[in-house]
Amino acid sequence: NAGVMQNPRHLVRRRGQEARLRCSPMKGHSHVYWYRQLPEEGLKFMVYLQKENIIDESGMPKERFSAEFPKEGPSILRIQQVVRGDSAAYFCASSRGQVGQPQHFGDGTRLSIL
Amino acid sequence: GESVGLHLPTLSVQEGDNSIINCAYSNSASDYFIWYKQESGKGPQFIIDIRSNMDKRQGQRVTVLLNKTVKHLSLQIAATQPGDSAVYFCAENIKGAQKLVFGQGTRLTINP
Repeated sequence: NAGVMQNPRHLVRRRGQEARLRCSPMKGHSHVYWYRQLPEEGLKFMVYLQKENIIDESGMPKERFSAEFPKEGPSILRIQQVVRGDSAAYFCASSRGQVGQPQHFGDGTRLSIL
Repeated sequence: GESVGLHLPTLSVQEGDNSIINCAYSNSASDYFIWYKQESGKGPQFIIDIRSNMDKRQGQRVTVLLNKTVKHLSLQIAATQPGDSAVYFCAENIKGAQKLVFGQGTRLTINP
């Protein structure tokens, strides 16, 4: 199954540590999106990337959060100096990027901050 | 019945009945819409999509209706089965933006 792969599935960090979340898109997809979901809520857009380029980061906090999608390897969402409010499920999606092409999601990384 | 507030709206139906889940979207510039199903502990799973130049699209046991006049989207599930129990989200893609805006979600529970 060549679906969107995210790891780790669960990540526990203490306040002040760094969290790194990885996402490998579906085969043939060159567009990656990161979303955040709090319990009982819908997903909120964070950032949209293509290979080596950030296209839209309007949903990502300006401080402590960064994302990349290098030429080789998975996309990385990085959260520095984590705080309790960063606890959430983070989902990655990928698509072919054309209009009318759906985004397909991974099963997410559940981040817990102690 | 439905309950709205801090918790997700919930729709309870009998197994074998048809379900209709509704969604109001926010942006008249949205040109593409998707329904996702999310089971506990999993990511959203694509169900069906529709572009803004259509008002109806059918899949296997599912139908999506789009009313652009009132910015309303609905998902109809025929002959609901226990495996249909999940949270259902509508998502809109704003033209030119390539990012999805998700609705609140509706929890569908199937009674045996």
